Amino acid sequence: GAVVSQHPSWVICKSGTSVKIECRSLDFQATTMFWYRQFPKQSLMLMATSNEGSKATYEQGVEKDKFLINHASLTLSTLTVTSAHPEDSSFYICSASIGGGVGETQYFGPGTRLLVL
Amino acid sequence: GENVEQHPSTLSVQEGDSAVIKCTYSDSASNYFPWYKQELGKGPQLIIDIRSNVGEKKDQRIAVTLNKTAKHFSLHITETQPEDSAVYFCAGGAQKLVFGQGTRLTINP
Repeated sequence: GAVVSQHPSWVICKSGTSVKIECRSLDFQATTMFWYRQFPKQSLMLMATSNEGSKATYEQGVEKDKFLINHASLTLSTLTVTSAHPEDSSFYICSASIGGGVGETQYFGPGTRLLVL
Repeated sequence: GENVEQHPSTLSVQEGDSAVIKCTYSDSASNYFPWYKQELGKGPQLIIDIRSNVGEKKDQRIAVTLNKTAKHFSLHITETQPEDSAVYFCAGGAQKLVFGQGTRLTINP
């Protein structure tokens, strides 16, 4: 149980284009979904927290107009990287939790590797 | 804000030996401490977690201990196997989960 999927698993795009990444909870309803970014050999950095039907809360330093997050249902959240640039190349990972508190278990997706040329 | 420090950054042990990874946290209001295992190119996988109302939790070869007074918690893996090789992350926090820097564990056959 508690499976989270992401699509696509990897994507290559040209600089200036937009890329959408989907995160789905397959066997549970996720009140809250989280988006992380991970650079090579580094830890996970939280980008934003989204609750179904509400606007996402972005971490300091994360541009909300560049990283658009939509949490349209209890099983789907999307992250759109707009006008992507090479420095946006990274491993993007989502997680989902049934509740919304920090003490709720987060189940992670397999990640999406983005390469911007 | 919350800070989670993890040590060591790399750890190499012989197969069958034990491995210990330690983390400290700064926010005394933190009450949930999960440990994740991440294999190359994959997302993190929850392996064990502990809440502040207990001091120790065990699941087969894996155990976690928590010392709230000292604000540190540790992951213990016994009878290590080659498939335990991965990067391990601790996490904690009161307002949001903050991850440690990670420990690359290598099990030598």
